[in-house]
Amino acid sequence: DSGVTQTPKHLITATGQRVTLRCSPRSGDLSVYWYQQSLDQGLQFLIQYYNGEERAKGNILERFSAQQFPDLHSELNLSSLELGDSALYFCASSRGVGGNTEAFFGQGTRLTVV
Amino acid sequence: GNSVTQMEGPVTLSEEAFLTINCTYTATGYPSLFWYVQYPGEGLQLLLKATKADDKGSNKGFEATYRKETTSFHLEKGSVQVSDSAVYFCALTSQFGNEKLTFGTGTRLTIIP
Repeated sequence: DSGVTQTPKHLITATGQRVTLRCSPRSGDLSVYWYQQSLDQGLQFLIQYYNGEERAKGNILERFSAQQFPDLHSELNLSSLELGDSALYFCASSRGVGGNTEAFFGQGTRLTVV
Repeated sequence: GNSVTQMEGPVTLSEEAFLTINCTYTATGYPSLFWYVQYPGEGLQLLLKATKADDKGSNKGFEATYRKETTSFHLEKGSVQVSDSAVYFCALTSQFGNEKLTFGTGTRLTIIP
């Protein structure tokens, strides 16, 4: 158990809908990252928050947004869903900043858009 | 930009065989290098890491050495077990800027008894 909790584990929704994925980081970790894992794109970095502030943005679509709350949990909002958004979405957390910081991953939320 | 290239899979080996999964990277400066493992139905777990040139990361019998001159971080294990069957990802974080991981495409390893 990594200590990172993601809910829900599975989500099935229709095209055009909006969903929210939730992540609770390990106790004491200030950084939260979101990654998307799909068959065609592999593991792609979406966005990082550090202590409530956006720190880095990757290949995140405009239809997607995220935030980190004062209690450090994070939510990833996906809207106007398309079939191609079907993927495994991982949250990770780390203690601080710096390139050698170890990131701990949750078990992921599997999103299926039908 | 930064990138990681790893050996295409899938790889199938017999139990107790020697394993090598190749990984090379492109990055400026001295990135930190990682191997993550994903067991079926689970998230990614850090297997080992190295943060400077010539460092050797090791864990659970797996080893990888940070080779700056060849920009490589190959994963090796002397004698694999059925329980090592998983997908292995090579990854890096930049020396500069934020802490995002750049991943390779992953290599699926299957060990046959």
